[in-house]
This record gives sequence, structure tokens and C-alpha cells, in this order.
Amino acid sequence: GENVEQHPSTLSVQEGDSAVIKCTYSDSASNYFPWYKQELGKRPQLIIDIRSNVGEKKDQRIAVTLNKTAKHFSLHITETQPEDSAVYFCAASINNAGNMLTFGGGTRLMVKP
Amino acid sequence: KAGVTQTPRYLIKTRGQQVTLSCSPISGHRSVSWYQQTPGQGLQFLFEYFSETQRNKGNFPGRFSGRQFSNSRSEMNVSTLELGDSALYLCASRLRGTGYNEQFFGPGTRLTVL
Repeated sequence: GENVEQHPSTLSVQEGDSAVIKCTYSDSASNYFPWYKQELGKRPQLIIDIRSNVGEKKDQRIAVTLNKTAKHFSLHITETQPEDSAVYFCAASINNAGNMLTFGGGTRLMVKP
Repeated sequence: KAGVTQTPRYLIKTRGQQVTLSCSPISGHRSVSWYQQTPGQGLQFLFEYFSETQRNKGNFPGRFSGRQFSNSRSEMNVSTLELGDSALYLCASRLRGTGYNEQFFGPGTRLTVL
């Protein structure tokens, strides 16, 4: 089955700096890669996603890049703010095979004011 | 539109008991998935239901089961509870069973097994 590895497990940045979180996946059939943000005590919420036919996607301060050949994808957050502090999860799925997401282990991002 | 709801929000059980958790998807959503979240194992897929049929199943023992009703509401059941079953159980719904459409999570049920 699919295996997703995520690094780093914790990341501390100064407000205004950029943050990068990286994930690798094992199943070359995976074609959908969402990123979720989970604040303490809250539910995971989708912040951005990318399909395998796209190499990069951007939404304001957040961007995701995908390298299908290397089977890795990354989340980039620019101009970080204290409210970006949360746990971020990457995930992968074979989207035409149902609703099964395989998640990475999560990255705890701390943005220091 | 109301979001995904889960009941109960908190549950305390003892080893050997069984438990049933409930999930109501967003109105119109037909696909419901369940995930277990623990500090050690992270978020792990349990199973997915679509149109009352289990479509995918994760790597969990047979003590974990689920079902979906005709109104798309779903329940999951854990029998013979073990200490290691203590976790946050999240359900998620999405509109279509296939294709690129967002999965929305519920607030979760926090199960504590004593």
C-alpha cells in the first residue's frame, strides 16, 4: 500500500520567514495530494491540494510543488504569521479509487512573533 | 450548510467493552470515511463507505467495523476495546465518491479506554 513520509516533524520559524515541509510517497499511482492544517483541538482543514497533472499550485502565501518523477511534494508558506502555527499533514491518494487518504506523520509548525 | 457532525464528542470506556460512534455527513455528501488519530501513529485510514457499501478498508483488526445508512449517516463500532484504541476518531465526508473533490472532516470523537 501507499506510504507517505513527512519532514520535518517540528519546525520553528520567526514571524515573516518562510517555512517548507516536504513529503515523499511510494505509490506511483497516487494522483491527488492534499495538505491539511490542524490547530490544537480542532479538526483538520484542507488548505491546498494538487493533482498529479500539475507541477505547482499557489494560493496567496501558500504554494505546493509536486515532482512525480521523484515522488515528492512540498508545502511552502511565505511571510509566516503566528496564526500559521499548527500541525500540517500531507496526504496522498489514488483519487479514482475512492476516498482513502494516506497521511504523513505531521509537522508541528511554530511561528515565533 | 451544516458541517460534518460526530456524536458523542467524548467517550470513556473500559477494556473489553464495545462502543459505537456516529457521523452525519454534510447534506448531499454520499461518501464517508473514518480515520483514527493518535500521537504515535498519526492519522490512519479505517474505512470508507459510499452508497451504503464499504469501498475501502485500512489495516485494522476485525474488531473495527462500520456501516452506512441510506441517508448517508455512518456509524463505526469497536468491540472488545483495548487500551490502544484510545484515540481521536475522525470521520470525513465528500460529495462524490470519485474524482477531485474536497474531503471535509468532523470534529472527532475522543475515545478513552481505561
